[in-house]
Amino acid sequence: QSVLTQPPSVSAAAGQKVTISCSGSYSNIGRNFVSWYQQFPGTAPKLLIHENYNRPSGTPDRFSGSKSGTSATLDITGLQTGDEADYYCGTWDHSLDAGIFGGGTKLTVL
Amino acid sequence: EVQLLESGGGLVQIGGSLRLSCAASGFSFSGFGMNWVRQAPGRGLEWVSGVSPSGETTHYADSVRGRFTISRDNSRDTVYLQIHRLTADDTATFYCTKGDRSGGIDHWGQGTLVTVSS
Repeated sequence: QSVLTQPPSVSAAAGQKVTISCSGSYSNIGRNFVSWYQQFPGTAPKLLIHENYNRPSGTPDRFSGSKSGTSATLDITGLQTGDEADYYCGTWDHSLDAGIFGGGTKLTVL
Repeated sequence: EVQLLESGGGLVQIGGSLRLSCAASGFSFSGFGMNWVRQAPGRGLEWVSGVSPSGETTHYADSVRGRFTISRDNSRDTVYLQIHRLTADDTATFYCTKGDRSGGIDHWGQGTLVTVSS
């Protein structure tokens, strides 16, 4: 069981908005930046959001991140079929003194 | 362009050892922490180990501490992961990743598959 809790799956219609949550604790999300990663089947993960809400070059502005207390959220608007992938949150945990990831969320675009 | 090229994976017997390598290019290697992240078939991401820019500080997941050793050679822009006493649970794709300035990961290699079998 992952230290960071994500819903196993989310779905929404094309063009709509979806929210993926990532719940942790003070020792991880509460004290550190959160990153989000996108992974398509058979490929390596790719950075989507860093430092809670910053988009690296190449990430469309349809993707946005936020953090409040011990939880973080990834919002995807204007859903496209090409957004179907697995999404992971990640951060550092000071109690474990280790990096941690959420269990991952599979996005389905209906 | 940041590139991370892993090597060293393959089929290994239970109880065996392996050394993974990751050759980095496209950035100032000695200025950034590096990590290894693994993913078992059909499973999620698991952070395994990290090393500071100088190599002096290392961190490990509880699940691998004592069996895995991370190291780096800044003269060769390469990071390593030595794995001992392999078990079937170690079967996974191992990704080499570059740390960013705020403690996260900003680049991933393509991964190297380690298969542990009897």
